[in-house]
Amino acid sequence: EAGVVQSPRYKIIEKKQPVAFWCNPISGHNTLYWYLQNLGQGPELLIRYENEEAVDDSQLPKDRFSAERLKGVDSTLKIQPAELGDSAVYLCASSKDSRDGELFFGEGSRLTVL
Amino acid sequence: AQSVTQPDIHITVSEGASLELRCNYSYGATPYLFWYVQSPGQGLQLLLKYFSGDTLVQGIKGFEAEFKRSQSSFNLRKPSVHWSDAAEYFCAVGPGTNNDMRFGAGTRLTVKP
Repeated sequence: EAGVVQSPRYKIIEKKQPVAFWCNPISGHNTLYWYLQNLGQGPELLIRYENEEAVDDSQLPKDRFSAERLKGVDSTLKIQPAELGDSAVYLCASSKDSRDGELFFGEGSRLTVL
Repeated sequence: AQSVTQPDIHITVSEGASLELRCNYSYGATPYLFWYVQSPGQGLQLLLKYFSGDTLVQGIKGFEAEFKRSQSSFNLRKPSVHWSDAAEYFCAVGPGTNNDMRFGAGTRLTVKP
């Protein structure tokens, strides 16, 4: 069974530039999460989807961050414009059922903003 | 709201020695508790989970954890550490009322030869 796939693995951009991250969850997993992981910290939830509906985006900085999950499968997370403080690893995870909390993570997309 | 505390930022153990990583949680009801491991450059992988029942749970790679309600703890243990266990370990609690998982800040494990 294929795991959660994320791309790109690494991205270096200058501040004020846009950037997008893509995630393909495990087949059959209806719940998809985007987490932010700063250096030396645990993952922090940005947004959670149940199928194509964003059911928890309270931690997503909506002035510059946006996300979508078309057709309830793949998802894209966008930052526009990027700031220096956005340098971090962006993790995508999926689960069969959000109620049991067992998440499967991708390898992450490491963003460096110069 | 639920929260997780991992008191130890960094732990060093010798290969073959026993290991215990601490985790304390705050949660209003019976929690679901998890331990994840993250090797360098990799995503998080589930080691084990506790939902209910037996408070001692077994996981992959020879790890186990014990849920102690009276101490609000869910410590991770391994009787004999291997060099390949060097990684970052995260304790997590959830899902909460918003189906939100909360992760601790992590404990970095270094294994000495």
